[in-house]
Amino acid sequence: QLQLHESGPGLVRPLETLSLTCSVSGGSMTTETHYWGCIRQSPGKGLEWIASVSIRGKTLYSPSLESRVTISIDTSKNQFSLNVTSVTAADTAVYYCVRSTTLRGVFLYWGQGILVSVSS
Amino acid sequence: EIVLTQSPVTLSVSPGERASLSCRASQDIADNLAWYQQKPGQSPRLLIYDVSNRGPGVPGRFSGSGSGTDFTLTITSLQSEDFATYYCQQYQKWPPLNFGGGTRVE
Repeated sequence: QLQLHESGPGLVRPLETLSLTCSVSGGSMTTETHYWGCIRQSPGKGLEWIASVSIRGKTLYSPSLESRVTISIDTSKNQFSLNVTSVTAADTAVYYCVRSTTLRGVFLYWGQGILVSVSS
Repeated sequence: EIVLTQSPVTLSVSPGERASLSCRASQDIADNLAWYQQKPGQSPRLLIYDVSNRGPGVPGRFSGSGSGTDFTLTITSLQSEDFATYYCQQYQKWPPLNFGGGTRVE
């Protein structure tokens, strides 16, 4: 059973960079039709897709975050990463690592999520 | 950008009853709609994709219908474990991948 695990700092200072690593276990990152990505959920709010990446390195970003976000993948390490620059309190959220089905925009596997707070 | 509007925001249902949740898209999304269930403190779970296909291990009491811009998730004979928040999500035209605001079933 594929599992995703998020790791990163629980607290980031305003205007700094949030760095999240998603580790994959119980499966491989070899299928070209799967996309790997990140979704966040602000406290008490709904779901917001941030970005997705294929094993070939093709990236897709939410237009509202694209200027501050980078997603990358390292299949040799079975992980992918998300960076969000110049964070503000509005970036405080639970961040989920996800993997799509062969329908690249449908998310079958979800990590447990990691709460990242932005505060000085 | 495609906007998804879910209604109602909160749905009060008794166990054993039927629940119908609505999701309306701002433009035609064909059959590119998924539904997710999220229980408090848990990650979302894929319930339905392509409007009406159940995800792995999803019980048969969950069904999806609709096309174009209007979609419905139906839960027949609600069980105690079904009390949760449900989100619809479109993947017809992205980025961005958008979710609806959610319906809480209580």
